[in-house]
Amino acid sequence: TQLLEQSPQFLSIQEGENLTVYCNSSSVFSSLQWYRQEPGEGPVLLVTVVTGGEVKKLKRLTFQFGDARKDSSLHITAAQPGDTGLYLCAGAGSARQLTFGSGTQLTVLP
Amino acid sequence: DTGVSQDPRHKITKRGQNVTFRCDPISEHNRLYWYRQTLGQGPEFLTYFQNEAQLEKSRLLSDRFSAERPKGSFSTLEIQRTEQGDSAMYLCASSSRRGGETQYFGPGTRLLVL
Repeated sequence: TQLLEQSPQFLSIQEGENLTVYCNSSSVFSSLQWYRQEPGEGPVLLVTVVTGGEVKKLKRLTFQFGDARKDSSLHITAAQPGDTGLYLCAGAGSARQLTFGSGTQLTVLP
Repeated sequence: DTGVSQDPRHKITKRGQNVTFRCDPISEHNRLYWYRQTLGQGPEFLTYFQNEAQLEKSRLLSDRFSAERPKGSFSTLEIQRTEQGDSAMYLCASSSRRGGETQYFGPGTRLLVL
């Protein structure tokens, strides 16, 4: 069974601070997605990383896929209150379904 | 492209009743997935269709759950004899090979069983 562990589970920071969320597994994934979810809504795709060592940037968000394709990180620079939400990583393996981490609930205080 | 849609968005039912949810995937997406998400957790896979064929079912999907995708377009998820433990957000996603199999999620149906 493939498992993804996310840390931290909760994060509360002040506007303007930087933060990193981690997603770790003992399994290899063919790709890894990061989603953001608002209360009462479905997850919204932020990025897909496929190649080991890959780094993708989306404005103030930087995503990295580990060389061995077992782990990933999300770094947010100068966080804003609009970044508040549940951040989920999800790995795609040989099976079609995604394996999700339990999420990181981020709160950015103004 | 209108994205994945789900209906209803909210459902409150009494224990023992049957409920049915509908998912309309992104048009031309041949793969459709159902997930369940409980409070404080990430979504958990339930089942997936390729066109009209149901190819995989999680052991989370008890005999009271049934999913269909009769014409390879929309899908329905039915829960019979609901239990309080069925209370959750039910999410639908769709993907296509052209899109690299990236899954796009609908807004979900939140079920509360009283």
